[in-house]
Amino acid sequence: AQSVTQLGSHVSVSEGALVLLRCNYSSSVPPYLFWYVQYPNQGLQLLLKYTTGATLVKGINGFEAEFKKSETSFHLTKPSAHMSDAAEYFCAVIRGKLTFGTGTRLTIIP
Amino acid sequence: GAGVSQSPSNKVTEKGKDVELRCDPISGHTALYWYRQSLGQGLEFLIYFQGNSAPDKSGLPSDRFSAERTGGSVSTLTIQRTQQEDSAVYLCASSLHRTSTYNEQFFGPGTRLTVL
Repeated sequence: AQSVTQLGSHVSVSEGALVLLRCNYSSSVPPYLFWYVQYPNQGLQLLLKYTTGATLVKGINGFEAEFKKSETSFHLTKPSAHMSDAAEYFCAVIRGKLTFGTGTRLTIIP
Repeated sequence: GAGVSQSPSNKVTEKGKDVELRCDPISGHTALYWYRQSLGQGLEFLIYFQGNSAPDKSGLPSDRFSAERTGGSVSTLTIQRTQQEDSAVYLCASSLHRTSTYNEQFFGPGTRLTVL
């Protein structure tokens, strides 16, 4: 079975600081991994995805994530947080249907 | 349309009543998914459609839940005899087609269901 674990249900960072949201996966086969963002009262929006090829993937809004097979990780980063980044972030793995992590709520401190 | 749409955006109902939630996928998308987002349970898969058939219903929590899709487009999720634990946001997603591996899913804004 495939699953993802997100470490930290709440993360707070200061505006301009590094954002790091952690995701570890368990999979018996090479996974396809996603990060989704959910703004208040909105649906899920795809930030970025890893399927095959380059292990460092860049997404929208300045986010990127690196697939590290040796660490079974797919952490999401952004060099400089912006107030508009405040949202809930979900890591997910797919095999037909998406299996989501429990989510991390990101708060930006002015 | 430009994106996945869902209606209603909010639904408040009394315990024991039936509700219908609607999803309009992106035009041309043959695969359609329903998910539920609730406190304490996170995001859960409910059911998947390929065209009008539902090869994967494994996430439906009970026989009070059912879904159909007609014309390979609009889908309706029906919850009969609603219970308070059914309160959640119900999300619909669509994708071009489903393979055994990956296909990007586009999500609607969800329907927030509150059962009093």
